[in-house]
Amino acid sequence: ETGVTQTPRHLVMGMTNKKSLKCEQHLGHNAMYWYKQSAKKPLELMFVYNFKEQTENNSVPSRFSPECPNSSHLFLHLHTLQPEDSALYLCASSQDRSAGTQYFGPGTRLLVL
Amino acid sequence: DAKTTQPPSMDCAEGRAANLPCNHSTISGNEYVYWYRQIHSQGPQYIIHGLKNNETNEMASLIITEDRKSSTLILPHATLRDTAVYYCIVRVYGSSNTGKLIFGQGTTLQVKP
Repeated sequence: ETGVTQTPRHLVMGMTNKKSLKCEQHLGHNAMYWYKQSAKKPLELMFVYNFKEQTENNSVPSRFSPECPNSSHLFLHLHTLQPEDSALYLCASSQDRSAGTQYFGPGTRLLVL
Repeated sequence: DAKTTQPPSMDCAEGRAANLPCNHSTISGNEYVYWYRQIHSQGPQYIIHGLKNNETNEMASLIITEDRKSSTLILPHATLRDTAVYYCIVRVYGSSNTGKLIFGQGTTLQVKP
């Protein structure tokens, strides 16, 4: 138990669906992250939020829309995804963006049909 | 951030020490060495980090060479639960950091009974 929770753990969606991934951290951290891990590929950073402000968007397509309403919650809104977006989506948090110690959630396994 | 080179895979007998090497020959003076691991289909887990001195915690020891161009993560008594992909990451620490952790392919450690 890392103090970072993600829901749902598994998600199957069609290409026309809209869904959201939720992440919550109970560590009092100020930075939160979304990563994508496709099969056989390294983790890729998608977004960084520091004190609720987005500080990094790693050229992510607009069909992925992050939202950070407060330092404890992070959402990833999904719409009109493609099958190649099927992956493990991981949320992480750290004290702030300068800290190298990040705590990861268990991930959401997404399948796009 | 400097790149790292790790062997793709290693085996270790249960109960023996697992020594995982990492080369980071282009590391800068202000870059730390971090180690994470990822057990199958889970989120990565922080293990340890260091700048130039050797470090030890309840999970592992980190040995950094004097020239800082390489390091070794040591799991003193490997168990089957230590089977995972181990990532060596070098990263600047400080307020100027964007928050990125750049994960490579890592080393797949297989602990065998």
